[in-house]
Amino acid sequence: AQRVTQPEKLLSVFKGAPVELKCNYSYSGSPELFWYVQYSRQRLQLLLRHISRESIKGFTADLNKGETSFHLKKPFAQEEDSAMYYCALPPADRGSTLGRLYFGRGTQLTVWP
Amino acid sequence: NAGVMQNPRHLVRRRGQEARLRCSPMKGHSHVYWYRQLPEEGLKFMVYLQKENIIDESGMPKERFSAEFPKEGPSILRIQQVVRGDSAAYFCASSPQGTAGGEKLFFGSGTQLSVL
Repeated sequence: AQRVTQPEKLLSVFKGAPVELKCNYSYSGSPELFWYVQYSRQRLQLLLRHISRESIKGFTADLNKGETSFHLKKPFAQEEDSAMYYCALPPADRGSTLGRLYFGRGTQLTVWP
Repeated sequence: NAGVMQNPRHLVRRRGQEARLRCSPMKGHSHVYWYRQLPEEGLKFMVYLQKENIIDESGMPKERFSAEFPKEGPSILRIQQVVRGDSAAYFCASSPQGTAGGEKLFFGSGTQLSVL
């Protein structure tokens, strides 16, 4: 069964420091992984997906199939990056509802000035 | 486009009362998903609906919970005879089509249900 694990509930760094939010998964087949972000008093929104291999707001995430990880990284954190971050993946069964995502419990990132 | 609208933002109910949560999808979206987030946990899928149809309710508790998405009006998640364990944040998401995956999901701000 698919599962997403975000081991860190809270993560604090100082502005300008590198940040890595961890995400590990279990999945049958080739997963498609997402990072969602929720800023204070805002809606949950898609930050990036591994298929697009893009960098959004300076964040990148590489899928490591050997370690079954999809860690989110940014070399220089900014105060405005403070938010709740969720890792998610869709069902392995392609016949299942595609919008049915499995979410990790989230990591609250705080970037101190 | 105002995005996915959920109301109320906060709902307080006493044990045994009914809770009705509303979700208006984004303009042009006809697919709605409901998720629940219990304290200290991630969002968990509950139900997927299209207009007038429940497509996948495999994540819904078997009793007291129901959902609908009528031809006119918002989608409604209804919880009868609420208990303290129902206290959670309930999120709605919409997508333009059923074949869309996570990249096409747009979330509302959620309804925080508190059961006294």
